[in-house]
Amino acid sequence: NAGVMQNPRHLVRRRGQEARLRCSPMKGHSHVYWYRQLPEEGLKFMVYLQKENIIDESGMPKERFSAEFPKEGPSILRIQQVVRGDSAAYFCASSPSRGPGELFFGEGSRLTVL
Amino acid sequence: SQQGEEDPQALSIQEGENATMNCSYKTSINNLQWYRQNSGRGLVHLILIRSNEREKHSGRLRVTLDTSKKSSSLLITASRAADTASYFCATGGYGQNFVFGPGTRLSVLP
Repeated sequence: NAGVMQNPRHLVRRRGQEARLRCSPMKGHSHVYWYRQLPEEGLKFMVYLQKENIIDESGMPKERFSAEFPKEGPSILRIQQVVRGDSAAYFCASSPSRGPGELFFGEGSRLTVL
Repeated sequence: SQQGEEDPQALSIQEGENATMNCSYKTSINNLQWYRQNSGRGLVHLILIRSNEREKHSGRLRVTLDTSKKSSSLLITASRAADTASYFCATGGYGQNFVFGPGTRLSVLP
């Protein structure tokens, strides 16, 4: 089984541009989580989605950030009008619909804002 | 939300020694999980302990859970250089978001 796939692995944007990060969960997983990690720090929860539903977006900044997980296709984390402070590694994780909820992580997308 | 916090923040040991990391959390939990992250990589699940369990083993890993103190510990026995990584505890479960602590950076010196 392929693991959680994230792309792009590295993304460079200039201030004011948009960044789109994609995440394909493991086969059969219907839950997706997005986390942000700054260097030498832990993971900060951003958003938890199921197919076509946002379950918990309490960690998402209220402006410029949005996430979706459509019925078909990958989950997308979108950052509009990026600023230097958005530079970070963004990790996606997925879990199956049953069970205690072990998370399977992708390798992350590293966003650099110039 | 539940918050896991690990200590120490950083730990440096010699190969062959044991490494112990601790995690504290604030609210009641269904389970607690430990993850490892190698530099520049995604997190990998190590072990899950349920709230009604006190101790769990997996290979060289031993996890304990004390729900009365809201704390857990991860012991890595006979450490190897390949164990060098950051280790995170996480609380949460099905239908909930997962909250990770700041992690312990373990360095195992050859």
